[in-house]
Amino acid sequence: GAVVSQHPSRVICKSGTSVKIECRSLDFQATTMFWYRQFPKQSLMLMATSNEGSKATYEQGVEKDKFLINHASLTLSTLTVTSAHPEDSSFYICSASGGSGYTDTQYFGPGTRLTVL
Amino acid sequence: LAKTTQPISMDSYEGQEVNITCSHNNIATNDYITWYQQFPSQGPRFIIQGYKTKVTNEVASLFIPADRKSSTLSLPRVSLSDTAVYYCLVGVSSGGYQKVTFGTGTKLQVIP
Repeated sequence: GAVVSQHPSRVICKSGTSVKIECRSLDFQATTMFWYRQFPKQSLMLMATSNEGSKATYEQGVEKDKFLINHASLTLSTLTVTSAHPEDSSFYICSASGGSGYTDTQYFGPGTRLTVL
Repeated sequence: LAKTTQPISMDSYEGQEVNITCSHNNIATNDYITWYQQFPSQGPRFIIQGYKTKVTNEVASLFIPADRKSSTLSLPRVSLSDTAVYYCLVGVSSGGYQKVTFGTGTKLQVIP
């Protein structure tokens, strides 16, 4: 149980384009989803927290107009990197929490490697 | 959010028991302690979670002293596949979710 998937696993795009990453909780309802970014050899940095049906809460320093988050259902959250630039290249990881029987633990997806050329 | 401190790296031989200690001096009353394992280019994998005393599951044990200012993850008889980064997280359970801050983690290298 507690499986979280992400799609795509890897994406390469040109500078200036937008990229959408999907995060799905496959076997439980996630009332809350988190988005993290991880640069090489560094720890995970929380970007934003989203609750189903409401606006995401962004961490300090994260541009909400650049990183659009939508949590439209209890099993799906999307992160859209708008007008991506090479400095946005990173490993993006989502996690999901909530649902009866899963306490408050966050369960992580496999991550999405974004490369912006 | 409580800050955690872990050793940057550890080496261990195959078959040995490994103990990784994490300090979280300003842990709050409502905070739970959670440990994750991360392999390169993968998302963190939940290992174990506890609040106090000792918790054991099929892969690890978690020891938490009475003052809860530290915790120790114990991995019995490690194998090469246990080479990974291990994160200790402390977070507040609020509104149905636990917001946590990732520290530097401990890079465990298992040696044959």
